[in-house]
Amino acid sequence: GDSVTQMEGPVTLSEEAFLTINCTYTATGYPSLFWYVQYPGEGLQLLLKATKADDKGSNKGFEATYRKETTSFHLEKGSVQVSDSAVYFCALSGTQGGSEKLVFGKGTKLTVNP
Amino acid sequence: NAGVMQNPRHLVRRRGQEARLRCSPMKGHSHVYWYRQLPEEGLKFMVYLQKENIIDESGMPKERFSAEFPKEGPSILRIQQVVRGDSAAYFCASSLRIAGGRGEQYFGPGTRLTVT
Repeated sequence: GDSVTQMEGPVTLSEEAFLTINCTYTATGYPSLFWYVQYPGEGLQLLLKATKADDKGSNKGFEATYRKETTSFHLEKGSVQVSDSAVYFCALSGTQGGSEKLVFGKGTKLTVNP
Repeated sequence: NAGVMQNPRHLVRRRGQEARLRCSPMKGHSHVYWYRQLPEEGLKFMVYLQKENIIDESGMPKERFSAEFPKEGPSILRIQQVVRGDSAAYFCASSLRIAGGRGEQYFGPGTRLTVT
């Protein structure tokens, strides 16, 4: 079945550092890919998405490109802030059975220090 | 426009009791998903419902768990005879159905169930 593997944390960076969180996937067909962010004690918020190969999703300085040849969707940000501290989840949405359920990676906890 | 609402936010049950978790989708959304997040884990899909129909329950445990989404009112996830292993955060998400079937899922704040 479909699966997502993402870099396990925790990741600790200093403010203004460059961020990369790796994500690779296994899926049949052509899934949509997502990055969600979860702040402490809260639900998930969609950060960005891409629905087809070579699409680039971007939001709040974060970017990720749908790479079909490497089955990857790595998250990057050029200069992180303390407020970016959260858990980041990579996910895909397939079409198995038409349910469009999301399949998540285990999450990567990011801590940004001042 | 209010987001996805879940209640209660925190629920404590003793082993053997029943837990009822409620989810009100965003206005206009007719699709509801339930996910479970165990400690230090990602979210795992449980069930997908439309109004009065269960579309996909492939992630639901075979026993003690059930879900419904009636024509009127919130979606309910029901856990009978809870055990300590049921302790987790339960998230609900809702979506619209759009052409191509890729409506974005919006998540609620979750219900944190603790079984003592």
